[in-house]
Amino acid sequence: AQRVTQPEKLLSVFKGAPVELKCNYSYSGSPELFWYVQYSRQRLQLLLRHISRESIKGFTADLNKGETSFHLKKPFAQEEDSAMYYCALMSGGTSYGKLTFGQGTILTVHP
Amino acid sequence: DAGITQSPRHKVTETGTPVTLRCHQTENHRYMYWYRQDPGHGLRLIHYSYGVKDTDKGEVSDGYSVSRSKTEDFLLTLESATSSQTSVYFCAIRRGPSFAGELFFGEGSRLTVL
Repeated sequence: AQRVTQPEKLLSVFKGAPVELKCNYSYSGSPELFWYVQYSRQRLQLLLRHISRESIKGFTADLNKGETSFHLKKPFAQEEDSAMYYCALMSGGTSYGKLTFGQGTILTVHP
Repeated sequence: DAGITQSPRHKVTETGTPVTLRCHQTENHRYMYWYRQDPGHGLRLIHYSYGVKDTDKGEVSDGYSVSRSKTEDFLLTLESATSSQTSVYFCAIRRGPSFAGELFFGEGSRLTVL
């Protein structure tokens, strides 16, 4: 069965510091991974997906199949990055597109 | 907001009572999902639907049932609510195979079972 682990429940950094949110997964197939974000009083929304290799709001994430990781990184954190972040793994192929989420990491960026 | 709304947004009920949460979408998407969000567990899939009358179980389906008699509505029912079902429930839709993995979420329904 697939599993997504986010080892850090809470993460605090200061504005301008680098930030890395960790995500590890276990899955027997070819993984498709995503990061979702939930800002205060907003809906959960997609931040980025590994397949598109894009950078959104300065965040990037690289899929490392050897280490089964998909860590989210940003070189200079901003206060508006404070939010709950979820790593997610898609299974069931594109037919059903079920997502398995990690436990979430609350990021707080201090001024 | 992808035209997705949940009702009620907040509900307090007593153990043993039935509860139905409604998810309504305005864009006629085929795929709909119900998740629950709990501290330390993240979001966990309860049930999902891939069309009218086509539903299947997720990882935490015990104690829950769903129905989808119309494309636009996906109902989640707790036949006899328990305190362990106190949670925030999120409905989500997917716009199609080309958007695999990209879910659009509702605002959530906070349920408290006393």
